[in-house]
Amino acid sequence: SQTIHQWPATLVQPVGSPLSLECTVEGTSNPNLYWYRQAAGRGLQLLFYSVGIGQISSEVPQNLSASRPQDRQFILSSKKLLLSDSGFYLCAWSPENTEAFFGQGTRLTVV
Amino acid sequence: KQEVTQIPAALSVPEGENLVLNCSFTDSAIYNLQWFRQDPGKGLTSLLLIQSSQREQTSGRLNASLDKSSGRSTLYIAASQPGDSATYLCAVPWNNDMRFGAGTRLTVKP
Repeated sequence: SQTIHQWPATLVQPVGSPLSLECTVEGTSNPNLYWYRQAAGRGLQLLFYSVGIGQISSEVPQNLSASRPQDRQFILSSKKLLLSDSGFYLCAWSPENTEAFFGQGTRLTVV
Repeated sequence: KQEVTQIPAALSVPEGENLVLNCSFTDSAIYNLQWFRQDPGKGLTSLLLIQSSQREQTSGRLNASLDKSSGRSTLYIAASQPGDSATYLCAVPWNNDMRFGAGTRLTVKP
């Protein structure tokens, strides 16, 4: 069966520090991978998606970047965090835009 | 552009009640619709996936229906329990994205 792992679960980082959130998927190959951000009381906003290794598309301009160094690994990064980067980040995968499966999320607080 | 709306935003019911959560979408050309559950501070758990050719899907006490022509889906929860308390979200694929509603926060009181 397929599983998705996302870590860390919580993170507190100072403004200006770098960020690296990792997401891995097991039990499938060539999945579509996604990074979402969920602001309090609001819906999910797509940040990045990837349909293959090294293929990253960004939906919104921001202080973040994403990389897919391996087929089942998706990394969300920042060189210098801003206060506005605080939020709940969710990684997801789907087999060609059908049913989506989510990780447990990372609560990021930038202080 | 696809927009997804969920009504009500919040719902509080006594234990044992049957309830209906609503989801509407503006573009009826969807491949499928998915219902999720989210507990506070947690990720999304997939509950039901309805393909565009289907009218409903059932899993235990949950039943989801889909009416593409009217752009609506409902999630029916039978005999609600306190453990059903969570936020319920619906979503539809759109281009390479999934468009989510803002969710319905459900509280089931013992």
